[in-house]
Amino acid sequence: GAGVSQSPSNKVTEKGKDVELRCDPISGHTALYWYRQSLGQGLEFLIYFQGNSAPDKSGLPSDRFSAERTGGSVSTLTIQRTQQEDSAVYLCASSPPPPREQFFGPGTRLTVL
Amino acid sequence: EDQVTQSPEALRLQEGESSSLNCSYTVSGLRGLFWYRQDPGKGPEFLFTLYSAGEEKEKERLKATLTKKESFLHITAPKPEDSATYLCAVQGGTNAGKSTFGDGTTLTVKP
Repeated sequence: GAGVSQSPSNKVTEKGKDVELRCDPISGHTALYWYRQSLGQGLEFLIYFQGNSAPDKSGLPSDRFSAERTGGSVSTLTIQRTQQEDSAVYLCASSPPPPREQFFGPGTRLTVL
Repeated sequence: EDQVTQSPEALRLQEGESSSLNCSYTVSGLRGLFWYRQDPGKGPEFLFTLYSAGEEKEKERLKATLTKKESFLHITAPKPEDSATYLCAVQGGTNAGKSTFGDGTTLTVKP
């Protein structure tokens, strides 16, 4: 069975450019999460989707960050006008309806030059 | 606001030297406490879910326990391949579905 996949695995961009990160969750999982992890740090919650409910956007650090989930499946995290402090690993996870364990993808390593 | 504190930040053990990792939490209406393992360069991997105080789960050399204020991850006779960062997370009743993670304990097991 396929796990959570993320693309690209690595992304290098220049300051000021926009980037899109993609997450394909496990089929049938209703919940989808985005986290950010800086080097040697813990997981920073960004956004949470559950079914058809309005997403919990409380973790998005600024209005440059946005995410959408189409058809209750694939999700895209968009960062506009990237800054050097956006450099981190962006992790996506999915789960059955909470409270359940989350299944994580391998992450996208974003480097902003 | 839900809070999770893990200790110690780092733990170095000799192979075979048993120890415990701590996860202290504050949450309104615990719905689940989760342990994950994260290897360098990879996403976290699920280990255990605990739902109520007194519950215990075991897997190979790992045993997770839960009280009303904290959880322990006991590692018995660890091997070098147990070296990883161990993360604890909680889901509470006021933030339906959202998990709060601790900063993790990085375990190094020397042969």
